[in-house]
Amino acid sequence: GAVVSQHPSWVICKSGTSVKIECRSLDFQATTMFWYRQFPKQSLMLMATSNEGSKATYEQGVEKDKFLINHASLTLSTLTVTSAHPEDSSFYICSGWSRRGADTQYFGPGTRLTVL
Amino acid sequence: RKEVEQDPGPFNVPEGATVAFNCTYSNSASQSFFWYRQDCRKEPKLLMSVYSSGNEDGRFTAQLNRASQYISLLIRDSKLSDSATYLCVVNTGGGADGLTFGKGTHLIIQP
Repeated sequence: GAVVSQHPSWVICKSGTSVKIECRSLDFQATTMFWYRQFPKQSLMLMATSNEGSKATYEQGVEKDKFLINHASLTLSTLTVTSAHPEDSSFYICSGWSRRGADTQYFGPGTRLTVL
Repeated sequence: RKEVEQDPGPFNVPEGATVAFNCTYSNSASQSFFWYRQDCRKEPKLLMSVYSSGNEDGRFTAQLNRASQYISLLIRDSKLSDSATYLCVVNTGGGADGLTFGKGTHLIIQP
């Protein structure tokens, strides 16, 4: 399958700081990338869809000014959690869409964010 | 009603047994169906796509019933390494739409 990397793997920060998470498709071009969030014992929930060169589309209930998404190239999308608070602590996972293989999404390894 | 529903389990099954679990989805317009596997504190990994005609991959068999809107996964000759959470995933659009995940079914294979 296609390979997606995500950095950092985990981050611990103080309340009020901003955290940037990078998602890269290493061996394919992802015109579309997705950002998900997973709270403990919950399902993955789609936060936003990111298309290269255009504004991201956010799901209902996700604040676009708090979760800034930039998809500057076909292999890189970034998610910035601005002014993070403890309730933002979660497992953030990105995925890239590729038509290779099963025409499905390939996930990065995830970033575990803990806000103190 | 939740879009994708699964029995969370856990299912405790002895090694070598056959186990099956189902998933139901609410959106009849759903087009693509998948089973993902997620290990503890890891990202989901695609296990297999689910086709209308049913499909098999080694010890794993997936089936789709569009009329009843459910998907099943059968695991034969279960191994200890099969212990994981199995996520039922539905895509209502084409590949460029976000996926809808069930909460997952937790499977524990016991020696």
